[in-house]
This record gives sequence, structure tokens and C-alpha cells, in this order.
Amino acid sequence: AQSVTQPDIHITVSEGASLELRCNYSYGATPYLFWYVQSPGQGLQLLLKYFSGDTLVQGIKGFEAEFKRSQSSFNLRKPSVHWSDAAEYFCAVGAPNFGNEKLTFGTGTRLTIIP
Amino acid sequence: DVKVTQSSRYLVKRTGEKVFLECVQDMDHENMFWYRQDPGLGLRLIYFSYDVKMKEKGDIPEGYSVSREKKERFSLILESASTNQTSMYLCASRQGGATEAFFGQGTRLTVV
Repeated sequence: AQSVTQPDIHITVSEGASLELRCNYSYGATPYLFWYVQSPGQGLQLLLKYFSGDTLVQGIKGFEAEFKRSQSSFNLRKPSVHWSDAAEYFCAVGAPNFGNEKLTFGTGTRLTIIP
Repeated sequence: DVKVTQSSRYLVKRTGEKVFLECVQDMDHENMFWYRQDPGLGLRLIYFSYDVKMKEKGDIPEGYSVSREKKERFSLILESASTNQTSMYLCASRQGGATEAFFGQGTRLTVV
């Protein structure tokens, strides 16, 4: 069974600083990987996804993530955060086999931006 | 624009009531999901459905049931609501394979 760990519950960064949110997964093969963002009171919006190929993926809002098979990680990065990036971020994993379509989510990382 | 619509943003129900949460998707997706979101616990899968009238239990199905009579609609049912079911409920749909899930806006349910 797949699982996801987001080790950081809460991160605070200054506006304009760089950001890295950590995500580690457990799965026997290369999974599908996703990052979602949730603003207060809203549903989840997809930031980016990895299925195969180039291990560095670009997403919306200037975010990128890198799949590292050796570390079972899919960390999210942004070179310079904006106040509007304050939100909760969820990493998710899916199994690339027919008949197992559910996504398993991590516990989330809350991002606070300080001026 | 693709859309997953949950019938209510906020609900307040009394303990013991039967509660229905409705979700509709317009993308002709095969798979639909109900998650529960609680602080510090992330999203936990309650039930999912991979076809009309087909369902599978997720990680926390106790106290819940589901119904999928039409492909576009997936209902979550709380047979007898309890205070520990106060939570945010998120519906999602996904075609499957190398695709992402799309989420509704969520229903914040309070059981008093």
C-alpha cells in the first residue's frame, strides 16, 4: 500500500525568500506524484504532477518539484515566495496500476509568509 | 472548465440525524472519492467508487455509507450523525491512470 509523509507541519518564511516543502513516499515502484494547494475555506487545487520522464516538473504559480527515486522524495520548491502563497500544501501519491485509482495524501504543511 | 460541485458549503445537523452530502462532476470521470479533512490528519479516504453502483471502503468507512446511482453523482451518507463526524468533507473525481483528481469546494459539517 502507498503512503506519504510530510515531515513539516508548519513552515514560516519571509516574503521573497526561497521555499522547499518536503514529501517522502512509500511505494514499491515509481508512483504518480502530486502537489495540491488549499487556500482557507477552499477545495484543493493542483500545483503540479509527475507521472514519468523528466524528474523536474514545473507547475503553476512558479512552483516546481523534483522526483528523486533514490530518496523516495518529491519536494516542492519556489525560488521567491509571495504573500499569496500562504496556504496549506498537500503531497499525494497514486499507484500506476489499473484498478487502484485512489490517491493517498500526506498530513499537509501549513505555510505562513511574513513581510 | 471542469467542475466538481458539492451541494452545500456549510451544514449544521443534530446528533442522530441522517445526513446526505451530494457531489456532482461534469467530466464523465469513472472514479469518485469522498475524503474527510481534519487538522493535523490531512485527507483521509472514506469511500470511493470506480463505476456506477460500485464502491470500495477507504481508510475510515465506519459510520458512513455511499451511493452512486448515476455516473456523475456520488453521495455520502451519515446514517446517524455523531459529534465526532464534525469535519470538512471533500469530494473528488478522477478518470484514472496518469491523471489528476479534481476536487469540490468542500462541505463543512457540524454535528451538534
